[in-house]
Amino acid sequence: GAGVSQSPSNKVTEKGKDVELRCDPISGHTALYWYRQSLGQGLEFLIYFQGNSAPDKSGLPSDRFSAERTGGSVSTLTIQRTQQEDSAVYLCASSLGQWGEQFFGPGTRLTVL
Amino acid sequence: GIQVEQSPPDLILQEGANSTLRCNFSDSVNNLQWFHQNPWGQLINLFYIPSGTKQNGRLSATTVATERYSLLYISSSQTTDSGVYFCAVVDNAGNMLTFGGGTRLMVKP
Repeated sequence: GAGVSQSPSNKVTEKGKDVELRCDPISGHTALYWYRQSLGQGLEFLIYFQGNSAPDKSGLPSDRFSAERTGGSVSTLTIQRTQQEDSAVYLCASSLGQWGEQFFGPGTRLTVL
Repeated sequence: GIQVEQSPPDLILQEGANSTLRCNFSDSVNNLQWFHQNPWGQLINLFYIPSGTKQNGRLSATTVATERYSLLYISSSQTTDSGVYFCAVVDNAGNMLTFGGGTRLMVKP
């Protein structure tokens, strides 16, 4: 596809369960970012990948959050033992390089009951 | 970290009116982008403009990096322009976008 894709588009889970969110960046984009947007709020940064390595994990809110990227392409964000405060829209973006224009996917809306 | 402030927070326009949205940032930047978040939550790229002026149809943007602000101009507004407009920057020390609080625009027919 031409743009960034994310799956699932919606995820409802129970408190304490683990969830995996997937991001497919634009082909050829080496940089990949995860952000989240809580209801009515702005976007907060979670983690940045350059290739397969994550030089900046400073935004991950707790050790329940982890992410990986394989083959310099697809990335998964995993949240373990989900809590209600994890409910948000999780957005993925990619860019050609570290400071290039970032393009966003449609997001995954996560609801933790 | 860098601070990004947008004004006004809310704006109501009559269709056909013009408007100017402002973004102030507290430090030097390597990247500045304007986005429109539509009612379905999709972030749509408007401009990648760390400096200078760009135009795209009824929209234009100017960034004065030395004075640490950017302006987004919307002319002849339409109801489809409604939504939230975000300014976001990457500072010299980082790589991720830091977002402003957004301007919520409503264009009435």
